[in-house]
Amino acid sequence: AQSVTQLGSHVSVSEGALVLLRCNYSSSVPPYLFWYVQYPNQGLQLLLKYTSAATLVKGINGFEAEFKKSETSFHLTKPSAHMSDAAEYFCAVSIKNRAQKLVFGQGTRLTINP
Amino acid sequence: DADVTQTPRNRITKTGKRIMLECSQTKGHDRMYWYRQDPGLGLRLIYYSFDVKDINKGEISDGYSVSRQAQAKFSLSLESAIPNQTALYFCATSDATGPAGYTFGSGTRLTVV
Repeated sequence: AQSVTQLGSHVSVSEGALVLLRCNYSSSVPPYLFWYVQYPNQGLQLLLKYTSAATLVKGINGFEAEFKKSETSFHLTKPSAHMSDAAEYFCAVSIKNRAQKLVFGQGTRLTINP
Repeated sequence: DADVTQTPRNRITKTGKRIMLECSQTKGHDRMYWYRQDPGLGLRLIYYSFDVKDINKGEISDGYSVSRQAQAKFSLSLESAIPNQTALYFCATSDATGPAGYTFGSGTRLTVV
């Protein structure tokens, strides 16, 4: 079975600072990995995904993530935080099977300080 | 119109009442899912469906039932609502072409009092 652990339920950074949200996964087969963002009172929006091609994945809004198999990690980064990045972020894992079930981490709430 | 539409957006109901949450999609996707979101727990899978005749339990199906009325419609029912079913519920869809990720609805916030 797959699982995801997001380190840090709350992360706070200053505007213009580096954003780093941590995600570690567990999977017995090659995983597919995703980052989703949830703005207040909205659904989940896909930021980026890893599907076994390039290990460095670029997403929307300047975010990127790197798949590191040796570390079982898929951390999300953005070089310079913007106030509009304040949201909750979810890391998720699935595998290549018929069900395509997504298993989510606990979520990390990102706060941006002016 | 949204690709995945959930109704109602918000609902308050009393303990013991039966309630149905509805989801419809215009994506043409075959797979549909119901998740619930709780603070600190992320999203957990309740049920999922490949098509009208193929419905499967997720990790937290107790207390819930579903109906896939058509390829585009997937409803979630709480037969007898209890307070710990207070949560944000999401419907999602995906297609069979690969791990494209899901398309999510905007969610239904359910409060059981």
